[in-house]
Amino acid sequence: SQKIEQNSEALNIQEGKTATLTCNYTNYSPAYLQWYRQDPGRGPVFLLLIRENEKEKRKERLKVTFDTTLKQSLFHITASQPADSATYLCALAQGGGKLIFGQGTELSVKP
Amino acid sequence: EAQVTQNPRYLITVTGKKLTVTCSQNMNHEYMSWYRQDPGLGLRQIYYSMNVEVTDKGDVPEGYKVSRKEKRNFPLILESPSPNQTSLYFCASSPTPQLAGFPNEQFFGPGTRLTVL
Repeated sequence: SQKIEQNSEALNIQEGKTATLTCNYTNYSPAYLQWYRQDPGRGPVFLLLIRENEKEKRKERLKVTFDTTLKQSLFHITASQPADSATYLCALAQGGGKLIFGQGTELSVKP
Repeated sequence: EAQVTQNPRYLITVTGKKLTVTCSQNMNHEYMSWYRQDPGLGLRQIYYSMNVEVTDKGDVPEGYKVSRKEKRNFPLILESPSPNQTSLYFCASSPTPQLAGFPNEQFFGPGTRLTVL
């Protein structure tokens, strides 16, 4: 079955630096991959979707890459701010309507 | 305001007492889904529906039922709750996918925290 792995350890970085989060998957070739942000006790919020034929996608300070050969997506937040502190989830569709999520990586940005 | 609503937000119940968690969306989305979130296990899909009267099992459907009689509502039913169903539950909806069978961005509800004693 499809498996998604994200950095299990929390990522701590200094304000202003670039945060890079990793999402690796196995056993499938997804048509696209999604990234979400989740704050404690709240529902995830959609950030970006990247398709298999797109190498990179940007939205303001966010950048996502998608390497179908490595079966990996990288999520970057440039010029990070304390307000970026949250858990970030990646998700991919298996087809047939199913959607599976990684466990998420907790990001903490210190002032 | 475009949103997904869930009720109740918090529920404490006892083993075996049937309960329903309601989910409603006002965005005319075709796709709806239920997830549970547990520490260390992440977000796992319980059931999903790609349209009215069409429902399918996700990764953890045991002990749950759903129905999709109308587009806006997708209730989650626990016929006989057990303590291992204590969790944080999220409902989500999504517009029609551009690629059939591959859900678009999910709009999540605020969550329902369920405790089964």
